[in-house]
Amino acid sequence: EDQVTQSPEALRLQEGESSSLNCSYTVSGLRGLFWYRQDPGKGPEFLFTLYSAGEEKEKERLKATLTKKESFLHITAPKPEDSATYLCAVRGHQGYSTLTFGKGTMLLVSP
Amino acid sequence: DAGVIQSPRHEVTEMGQEVTLRCKPISGHNSLFWYRQTMMRGLELLIYFNNNVPIDDSGMPEDRFSAKMPNASFSTLKIQPSEPRDSAVYFCASSTRTGEDSGNTIYFGEGSWLTVV
Repeated sequence: EDQVTQSPEALRLQEGESSSLNCSYTVSGLRGLFWYRQDPGKGPEFLFTLYSAGEEKEKERLKATLTKKESFLHITAPKPEDSATYLCAVRGHQGYSTLTFGKGTMLLVSP
Repeated sequence: DAGVIQSPRHEVTEMGQEVTLRCKPISGHNSLFWYRQTMMRGLELLIYFNNNVPIDDSGMPEDRFSAKMPNASFSTLKIQPSEPRDSAVYFCASSTRTGEDSGNTIYFGEGSWLTVV
């Protein structure tokens, strides 16, 4: 059974204070690791897909990296508008097209 | 292009009543997913359709839950009878490709917030 664990559960940063979110996973045959952003009262919004160890993807102040056991979402010089819950998910060999999600990291960036 | 459209956005109902949630996937997408989100358990897959056919319903909690996809542009999730523990946000999502393809991204609707009192 695929499993995803995210840490920390919540993170509070000052504007401009860089940090990283962690996503540890176990999966039989990784066919993609996905990062989503979820704002309060909204559905998850797709950010990145990573497929193999060593791969990196960037979007504005966000950079996602992948190893064989975990992924990191690095946030550089965050702004208050980066405040959201960040969800990590994996697609394994036996999961057809479905995703298994972690419980998320709630990020609050204070001005 | 319109995203995944869900209705109703909010529903408050009494225990024992029937609840029907509706979803219109993104045009051209042939995979549809129903997820449930709670604080305790996070996002959980309930059921997955491929080309309107249910492929995996192992996440459906019990017989009170049922889902249908009569055509490529419409799906329903029904709870009958509803119970307070069914209170959650129910998300519909869709994607373009199916089967062993790794690259298809799943796009989510805004969710249906269900409260059963």
